[in-house]
Amino acid sequence: QVQLVQSGAEVKKPGASVKVSCKASGYTFTKYGLSWVRQAPGQGLEWVGWVSSRNDRTNYAHKFEGRVTMTADTSTRTVYMDLKSLRSDDTAVYYCARDDWNLFDYWGQGTLVTVSS
Amino acid sequence: QSALTQPPSASGSPGQSVTISCTGTSSDVGAYNYVSWYQQHPGKVPKVMIYQVNKRPSGVPNRFSGSKSGNTASLTVSGLQPEDEGDYYCSSYAGSNMDIVFGGGTKLTVL
Repeated sequence: QVQLVQSGAEVKKPGASVKVSCKASGYTFTKYGLSWVRQAPGQGLEWVGWVSSRNDRTNYAHKFEGRVTMTADTSTRTVYMDLKSLRSDDTAVYYCARDDWNLFDYWGQGTLVTVSS
Repeated sequence: QSALTQPPSASGSPGQSVTISCTGTSSDVGAYNYVSWYQQHPGKVPKVMIYQVNKRPSGVPNRFSGSKSGNTASLTVSGLQPEDEGDYYCSSYAGSNMDIVFGGGTKLTVL
């Protein structure tokens, strides 16, 4: 069965960086890209960006360009999201989701990133 | 890209129908037939209910249907059941880069 398993919760100080991983299993990894979506406490869903699982293509939401880097490692079937220059309003649950033309059909369990001094 | 506009709340009694709107622009909802709808229960991961405007993934009850007219997409839940209560989000491709934009979410209450 398709599974996306994310790394554990993180606590970071303002200005630091965080790297969240998402390991995929149960399907042909290179057939689908993955998107990252975040949800601040009590707030709605926000798309962060997309990464191809077969080449180096990425597409980041404008507000995150310059601060986010998404990569995929086909050898380990793992996708990474690296977010730098963290601010308190980056505190959120970050989800990876398999992306089939804006159909997010499988989601990771979420990773809480807390930014606090 | 700006978020799509959804009503903050909607409600209906069991057995009734309710429709949630999702209003965008000619650069997102109006430009693409790639509108999706997600249901989220408190503390849970979102679940896709509708994709490509009106397609239902396997396992989603046929009480859920989607449509689009111009720059506005809609999700209709017929025959409301208590388990339909939750937050609903629409999403669409946006702009020439095909970014993805979400609506602000609608809290559906089954009275």
